[in-house]
Amino acid sequence: AQSVTQLGSHVSVSEGALVLLRCNYSSSVPPYLFWYVQYPNQGLQLLLKYTSAATLVKGINGFEAEFKKSETSFHLTKPSAHMSDAAEYFCAVSVPEYGNKLVFGAGTILRVKS
Amino acid sequence: DAGVIQSPRHEVTEMGQEVTLRCKPISGHDYLFWYRQTMMRGLELLIYFNNNVPIDDSGMPEDRFSAKMPNASFSTLKIQPSEPRDSAVYFCASSLRGASSYEQYFGPGTRLTVT
Repeated sequence: AQSVTQLGSHVSVSEGALVLLRCNYSSSVPPYLFWYVQYPNQGLQLLLKYTSAATLVKGINGFEAEFKKSETSFHLTKPSAHMSDAAEYFCAVSVPEYGNKLVFGAGTILRVKS
Repeated sequence: DAGVIQSPRHEVTEMGQEVTLRCKPISGHDYLFWYRQTMMRGLELLIYFNNNVPIDDSGMPEDRFSAKMPNASFSTLKIQPSEPRDSAVYFCASSLRGASSYEQYFGPGTRLTVT
């Protein structure tokens, strides 16, 4: 079965600093991987996805993530944090052969300090 | 496109009452998912449908919860009777099999408060 671990339930960065949110997955077959963002009182919005094409994936709002099979990781980065990036971020894994389900990590709340 | 539509956005009810949450998926999508989000348990998958048929309801917490999808454009999640521990945000999501990656599109959620 697949699973996702997000290291750090809370991450705090200064405005303009690098954002790094960590995600490790477990899957016995090649996975699809996703990052979603949730702003307060809103639903989840897809940031980016990995689907076995390029290992470096670019998403919306300047975010990107790199799939590293050897490390079973899919960390999310952004070179320069903006106040509007403050939100909760979820990493998720899907293995279509096991049904069209997403397994979500516990989430990481990103705080951006001015 | 309108996206996934959920109603109501907020629901406050008393313990013991029946609650019905509604969802309209994105037109053409053939998968529909119901999730529950709480501080304690995070985001939990309750049940999902493919072509209106329930595929996996193993996440439904107990018999008080039921979900239906009478057609491709409508689904309901019902709680009867409701209890205070059911207070949570309930999300509906839809996706399309055959798309490149099966990403799910989420609705805005229904915030349920049971007093």
